[in-house]
Amino acid sequence: AQKVTQAQTEISVVEKEDVTLDCVYETRDTTYYLFWYKQPPSGELVFLIRRNSFDEQNEISGRYSWNFQKSTSSFNFTITASQVVDSAVYFCALSPSYYNNNDMRFGAGTRLTVKP
Amino acid sequence: NAGVTQTPKFQVLKTGQSMTLQCAQDMNHEYMSWYRQDPGMGLRLIHYSVGAGITDQGEVPNGYNVSRSTTEDFPLRLLSAAPSQTSVYFCASSLQRGAKNIQYFGAGTRLSVL
Repeated sequence: AQKVTQAQTEISVVEKEDVTLDCVYETRDTTYYLFWYKQPPSGELVFLIRRNSFDEQNEISGRYSWNFQKSTSSFNFTITASQVVDSAVYFCALSPSYYNNNDMRFGAGTRLTVKP
Repeated sequence: NAGVTQTPKFQVLKTGQSMTLQCAQDMNHEYMSWYRQDPGMGLRLIHYSVGAGITDQGEVPNGYNVSRSTTEDFPLRLLSAAPSQTSVYFCASSLQRGAKNIQYFGAGTRLSVL
C-alpha cells in the first residue's frame, strides 16, 4: 500500500528563518513519483515540484530546495529565508505509477505560518 | 487563461438534499478528477475521467456520481447528502492520465451538510 506521512501538522517561524517540511512515504513500487503542492489562503493547490524515484539529486529553485533520500524514504522541502508570502499549507504526494494518476496519495499537509 | 474553475465556492445543504458541484477547465485536458479534503487527512480521490464519456471510481466513490459529456466539464453529483460528506472538494485536470502529467487544481468548494 502507498502512504504519505507529514508528521508536522503546523509550523510557525519568523520571517527570514529557514524551515524544513518533512515528508516520509511508503511504497513497494520501484518506480514512483513524488510531488509537493502549495495551498495558499486563496485555496487552490499550486504544483511546486515532481521527482521520480530514479533521480536522487537535490533540487534547488530560488529559496526552495528539496532533499530526496530513498534510503530513508523521505522527500523533505526546505524554504530558505522564509517570507510572509510562504504562509500556506504544503502537501506532499506520492504517485506509484507513471501512467496512473488514480493511485496518487497525499499527506495530510503541513500548515506553515511565517510571521513578520 | 482561467485554468480549473469550480462553483460554488461555499454550499450548505440539509441531510438528504442533492446538489451538483461544477468543474470546468479551459486547457483542453483529457484527464479530470475529483478529490475531497478532510481535516487531518490528505486529499482522497472520489472519481476520475480519462476523457469525454469515460469515468471511473477512485478511493472514496460512495454517495457521488459523475459524468463527462464534454472535455471541459466534469460535474460531481451528491445524490442524497449526508453529514459525512461535509468536506472541501477539489477538482483537478491534467493533459493526460499519468504521473508524468502535472495536475492543476481548482480553488475548491467548501460543503457543509447539516
